[in-house]
Amino acid sequence: QKEVEQNSGPLSVPEGAIASLNCTYSDRGSQSFFWYRQYSGKSPELIMFIYSNGDKEDGRFTAQLNKASQYVSLLIRDSQPSDSATYLCAAERGSQGNLIFGKGTKLSVKP
Amino acid sequence: GAGVSQSPSNKVTEKGKDVELRCDPISGHTALYWYRQSLGQGLEFLIYFQGNSAPDKSGLPSDRFSAERTGGSVSTLTIQRTQQEDSAVYLCASSLLAGGTQYFGPGTRLTVL
Repeated sequence: QKEVEQNSGPLSVPEGAIASLNCTYSDRGSQSFFWYRQYSGKSPELIMFIYSNGDKEDGRFTAQLNKASQYVSLLIRDSQPSDSATYLCAAERGSQGNLIFGKGTKLSVKP
Repeated sequence: GAGVSQSPSNKVTEKGKDVELRCDPISGHTALYWYRQSLGQGLEFLIYFQGNSAPDKSGLPSDRFSAERTGGSVSTLTIQRTQQEDSAVYLCASSLLAGGTQYFGPGTRLTVL
């Protein structure tokens, strides 16, 4: 069973701190990884994707990928209360095209 | 349209009735996906269409669920003889190519009484 695992949280951080969200995946054939943010009652929206080992930065967000360890993470710098949401990690399902989603980590940023 | 659209946004039905949920993907996107999200849960993959290839139906939970995609664009997810456990938000997504970034529609909230 190919899976994506995330800590369900809730992860609580103070405003201005760095939030670190982690994800592991089981399918070594996965090449692409995605982070989505989902506000309560809303549909997921893409934050970042990453294909290569290492870090990828976009504004306050940094995605990190380590294929050897089958580990993906998302760092949010200078966290804001508006970042409070559930963050979904997804891995491409080998060459089949669809994504396998983790159950998400709920982040709460306290003012 | 600019994004993925779904209709209806809400659907309340009685147990045993059939329902049809519609998805209009982003124009030009070749791949279309259906997911189900129960309250407080993650996304459960249902079915995936890619171009003219046979759909990947591996996520459909039972034979009461079916989907079609006409003309490589609009898709309809049909649930026959609905059960209370079918109550969930049904999300559709599309991507330009298989394995690419998926863009989600607003979802259809299905409630089976």
